[in-house]
Amino acid sequence: DTEVTQTPKHLVMGMTNKKSLKCEQHMGHRAMYWYKQKAKKPPELMFVYSYEKLSINESVPSRFSPECPNSSLLNLHLHALQPEDSALYLCASSQRQSTNEKLFFGSGTQLSVL
Amino acid sequence: QQQVKQSPQSLIVQKGGISIINCAYENTAFDYFPWYQQFPGKGPALLIAIRPDVSEKKEGRFTISFNKSAKQFSLHIMDSQPGDSATYFCAASRESPGNQFYFGTGTSLTVIP
Repeated sequence: DTEVTQTPKHLVMGMTNKKSLKCEQHMGHRAMYWYKQKAKKPPELMFVYSYEKLSINESVPSRFSPECPNSSLLNLHLHALQPEDSALYLCASSQRQSTNEKLFFGSGTQLSVL
Repeated sequence: QQQVKQSPQSLIVQKGGISIINCAYENTAFDYFPWYQQFPGKGPALLIAIRPDVSEKKEGRFTISFNKSAKQFSLHIMDSQPGDSATYFCAASRESPGNQFYFGTGTSLTVIP
């Protein structure tokens, strides 16, 4: 199994809603990542978890709250989002948190904030 | 500040032709240069990667050429096929506590039959 699975594939939410994005991998990877990608733009790193501990937060607003319950799961909790947060949210994993480790991306969750 | 500059923004190539995408960087500490391919509605997938101790790496129809002195690297797709139509991102990274890739701005490739 070389897949990173993300759910849901699409999400529409209002600015007052609370929702969560989920990511799962069963490759035994110990580093997991959240990226945000706007249309026709490259992915932007948001968070990195290494061995279930948050190691990088790229100054992301607190309305985005990551959680890593175990080595296979990664969540992104969303609350009070703004319309400009609409984007494709990508989860990725790698064997370890190292620069020459291959990143495996999921297909993403397309988020629309109304 | 854009750490990695990529060109062209879009590219149209005839089937069977050669597609060439170029990237340039400034930070000489970068030591890993991957290329990612992304289809609509999918996440990026690693295509091929190179480290600066070699000048060229080939995998099937895909070749990376690397010029350390010019701080440039490029992706060549030989015998381009319609199935290669996708967005391509170059990236660069350096040894650091985080797997922090600096992505180029992307090239939308269209291969016409």
